[in-house]
Amino acid sequence: NAGVMQNPRHLVRRRGQEARLRCSPMKGHSHVYWYRQLPEEGLKFMVYLQKENIIDESGMPKERFSAEFPKEGPSILRIQQVVRGDSAAYFCASSPPRMNTEAFFGQGTRLTVV
Amino acid sequence: GESVGLHLPTLSVQEGDNSIINCAYSNSASDYFIWYKQESGKGPQFIIDIRSNMDKRQGQRVTVLLNKTVKHLSLQIAATQPGDSAVYFCAENNAGNNRKLIWGLGTSLAVNP
Repeated sequence: NAGVMQNPRHLVRRRGQEARLRCSPMKGHSHVYWYRQLPEEGLKFMVYLQKENIIDESGMPKERFSAEFPKEGPSILRIQQVVRGDSAAYFCASSPPRMNTEAFFGQGTRLTVV
Repeated sequence: GESVGLHLPTLSVQEGDNSIINCAYSNSASDYFIWYKQESGKGPQFIIDIRSNMDKRQGQRVTVLLNKTVKHLSLQIAATQPGDSAVYFCAENNAGNNRKLIWGLGTSLAVNP
């Protein structure tokens, strides 16, 4: 059973371009979470999705950021018109449907905006 | 808003000693707590969890203690090894909070040979 797969591992974008980060959850996991981490800091919740539904996007900026988890395929975190402040590590985690269970994390995508 | 915080940002221990990493939380409704370990350049890795109906839970070389009275959580690592060097995060969750984890800032553990 492969773990949570994120790609790409590293992504470099120029200011104004779009960044697409992909996350394939563990098999059997229907819940996906996206977190952002700056160097030397903890993880900040961005969005929580189930298949085809956004459950909680309270941590995601209202503009330029969007997330989806389609019925088929990976979850996508999309950042439009990137700015230097978007540079960070973005982690995806997945968990099974039952409550109060640990989430398993991917290795992250490190986005650098130049 | 309510959040999880850590008492010590850094901790340095000798190899073979026991390590104790502390965490304070403020949301009394939280009913599930997790410790994660994050090595440089990697994603967080689950270590151990505990539910609010328990005070203590033991794993392999690790023990988590939960004191709900003072809203305090600790992670004890026995016979600390160089491979334990990492940043440790505690995270809390409650079933009514859409299952999202609230994370503390992290404690960096450095193991000296």
